[in-house]
Amino acid sequence: DVKVTQSSRYLVKRTGEKVFLECVQDMDHENMFWYRQDPGLGLRLIYFSYDVKMKEKGDIPEGYSVSREKKERFSLILESASTNQTSMYLCASSLQTGMGEKLFFGSGTQLSVL
Amino acid sequence: AQRVTQPEKLLSVFKGAPVELKCNYSYSGSPELFWYVQYSRQRLQLLLRHISRESIKGFTADLNKGETSFHLKKPFAQEEDSAMYYCALHTGNQFYFGTGTSLTVIP
Repeated sequence: DVKVTQSSRYLVKRTGEKVFLECVQDMDHENMFWYRQDPGLGLRLIYFSYDVKMKEKGDIPEGYSVSREKKERFSLILESASTNQTSMYLCASSLQTGMGEKLFFGSGTQLSVL
Repeated sequence: AQRVTQPEKLLSVFKGAPVELKCNYSYSGSPELFWYVQYSRQRLQLLLRHISRESIKGFTADLNKGETSFHLKKPFAQEEDSAMYYCALHTGNQFYFGTGTSLTVIP
């Protein structure tokens, strides 16, 4: 079964810190995604990547950047963390673009910015 | 623009009662729709997808293009169905999610 692993389950950071959230998938998936999950707002796409070194902005990219140097790893970077970035962050992957493709999710990273 | 609307944030039903979680979408092309579920302390996972026309854990969902809906239904709710449910629309290489419905099944 596909495994999507997020390096941290909980993170506490201070305002202004640079934060790295790491995600690794083990099934050679082409596409990887970063979402944030907030009560009442659902899942909102931050960035996605369909190939190594390729990235596309999602709906809420402001304040975030991403890196995909290797196919299996997709990193989300908060350049200067702010309190409004306190959220649950979900990483996901899918094999490729096409009908019926489904997302496989990591277990999430709960980030608190103080 | 692609949009997914789940009008109910919270839904409570009694065990054994029918349940329907509503999902409406806005998309000009041919939609591909999914339901994802997140049980307590578990990761988000696929429940079902419309192209498979399958029934998973007793749940079904029919795509109604005329009403642009993809409601999730189960005739007899069980306590283990209590979870957060998200409707999702897949277009190109993006997945758009609704705001989710938290279902509680009362014993």
